[in-house]
Amino acid sequence: GAGVSQSPRYKVTKRGQDVTLRCDPISSHATLYWYQQALGQGPEFLTYFNYEAQPDKSGLPSDRFSAERPEGSISTLTIQRTEQRDSAMYRCASSLRIVGGPNTGELFFGEGSRLTVL
Amino acid sequence: GQQVMQIPQYQHVQEGEDFTTYCNSSTTLSNIQWYKQRPGGHPVFLIQLVKSGEVKKQKRLTFQFGEAKKNSSLHITATQTTDVGTYFCAGDRGSTLGRLYFGRGTQLTVWP
Repeated sequence: GAGVSQSPRYKVTKRGQDVTLRCDPISSHATLYWYQQALGQGPEFLTYFNYEAQPDKSGLPSDRFSAERPEGSISTLTIQRTEQRDSAMYRCASSLRIVGGPNTGELFFGEGSRLTVL
Repeated sequence: GQQVMQIPQYQHVQEGEDFTTYCNSSTTLSNIQWYKQRPGGHPVFLIQLVKSGEVKKQKRLTFQFGEAKKNSSLHITATQTTDVGTYFCAGDRGSTLGRLYFGRGTQLTVWP
């Protein structure tokens, strides 16, 4: 697509429920990132993919968080047994970063999915 | 934890005044990027600095990367109301790490 698309834009859920967020990156981009952004803060790294490989998931806050990108295109971020502290904006970004290249490259962010856990 | 520190957190200026935000990393960076996020929007890439001591200009915006590649600044000359937003620096520690460490951002308010 022309830009990074995320869905849903807003999600309200009850504590203990599972949620899945979706990201459709720019079609030519190999690398996809998930960030969490709290209000008034900068984006915090969660994980990233090079195609379907997930080289770094060290930013995921707990084992309740998982991400997939099975075909190297669309990605999902799943939060199991949600807690109120999970409430945040979840941002997906993609880049043209070349695998093994020296730099991360410019990130193109989606509009984000705002999660509220009651 | 915060790998990249950014100050100030807030800046309020009158239109026409200058504005500067500063970014400092605890470790040497491969490169640094700057992003702007308008209220209610998403971060949008402004520029990437790679070389030690590099200075780049985009119209009224001047970006600098320190000699030690640990700090950076963004300076806006003669602010306009269209400059309103939060400016983030993001440090890249290079190659296989694959992540950008974002600063907390500087929220700029410009009043006419």
